Amino acid sequence: EPEVTQTPSHQVTQMGQEVILRCVPISNHLYFYWYRQILGQKVEFLVSFYNNEISEKSEIFDDQFSVERPDGSNFTLKIRSTKLEDSAMYFCASSNSGETQYFGPGTRLLVL
Amino acid sequence: GNSVTQMEGPVTLSEEAFLTINCTYTATGYPSLFWYVQYPGEGLQLLLKATKADDKGSNKGFEATYRKETTSFHLEKGSVQVSDSAVYFCALSSAGNNRKLIWGLGTSLAVNP
Repeated sequence: EPEVTQTPSHQVTQMGQEVILRCVPISNHLYFYWYRQILGQKVEFLVSFYNNEISEKSEIFDDQFSVERPDGSNFTLKIRSTKLEDSAMYFCASSNSGETQYFGPGTRLLVL
Repeated sequence: GNSVTQMEGPVTLSEEAFLTINCTYTATGYPSLFWYVQYPGEGLQLLLKATKADDKGSNKGFEATYRKETTSFHLEKGSVQVSDSAVYFCALSSAGNNRKLIWGLGTSLAVNP
């Protein structure tokens, strides 16, 4: 059964450093998403991506964040200058219709 | 705005007990409703969904019915197993093409043998 994959599973970085989180969505899916879950809090929507552009972004998704689909298979989330409060589990999801989303296992990001 | 409220955990049950996890929502329009499950050390897995009022989603013995009149989507299972121990998330998808998911806080379930 096809699945969404994410790398790395864990990432530790220093405050102010750039990180890139990578996702490989299910191959025939057209809609892509990033969510995050800060420990003890709700899962929060960050951004959705369709037809090679951002279709919606949340207030969290400020200028420090960017997404890219560089090669037709990967879907990346870049944080340019990490802050302590960016520490969270980041989930990538994909969907073929925009209705049911399938999630990857997540990347746990720790900013020191 | 749209929101989801779940009963707080943790919930601890003995094997073969009946499970209910309450979920209520606030939404404009007609959202789709979902239950996702996160087993220890794993990602979010779709458990079941319902896309319109009175629909019942079911999977692996779990059920939930979309109740528009009470704006609820409670998760039930008649007889839980130790392997059901996980965190359960209720979510709704907003209208529109993007259908971003709006999540409840999650309810941790521990099933003891």
